[in-house]
Amino acid sequence: GAVVSQHPSWVICKSGTSVKIECRSLDFQATTMFWYRQFPKQSLMLMATSNEGSKATYEQGVEKDKFLINHASLTLSTLTVTSAHPEDSSFYICSALSGTGGYQPQHFGDGTRLSIL
Amino acid sequence: GQNIDQPTEMTATEGAIVQINCTYQTSGFNGLFWYQQHAGEAPTFLSYNVLDGLEEKGRFSSFLSRSKGYSYLLLKELQMKDSASYLCACMDSNYQLIWGAGTKLIIKP
Repeated sequence: GAVVSQHPSWVICKSGTSVKIECRSLDFQATTMFWYRQFPKQSLMLMATSNEGSKATYEQGVEKDKFLINHASLTLSTLTVTSAHPEDSSFYICSALSGTGGYQPQHFGDGTRLSIL
Repeated sequence: GQNIDQPTEMTATEGAIVQINCTYQTSGFNGLFWYQQHAGEAPTFLSYNVLDGLEEKGRFSSFLSRSKGYSYLLLKELQMKDSASYLCACMDSNYQLIWGAGTKLIIKP
């Protein structure tokens, strides 16, 4: 159980393109989803927390107008990287929680490797 | 501030035992997680500790001492497939995960 699907797994596109990444919980309802970014040989960096039906909470230093997050249903959250540039190239990973509060392991999607040329 | 410390890299031999330590300072504490991350892949959940003591799960065990702000992940009978990064993460009072930088474990034959 607790399977999280992330799509696409790999994107290569030109600078200035907008890229949408989907994160789906396949066998549970995810009230909260998280979006992380990970640069090579570095730890996970939380970008934002996404709660179903409300605006995402962004971490300090993350531009909310550049990284648009939509969590319209209990099984889907999307991250759109708008007008992507080479410095946005990274490994983007989503995770999901099945409930609220208390002990909850985050279940991760397989990640999306984004390369901006 | 909040801080998680773990060694950057460790090397061990196939069939041996290795202990990966993690110390933490967080605003409140709602448990400590260990995740395994193979290169180029997303993390996978290994263990969760919220009370002091040892939790054993097959070849992997995790220990917590809240008074010392300390945890370790113990891996027994090491296999080549255990070569990965091991991430320590603490859940703070807001139930937010604070991540360590990860320990890269290299297994040699």
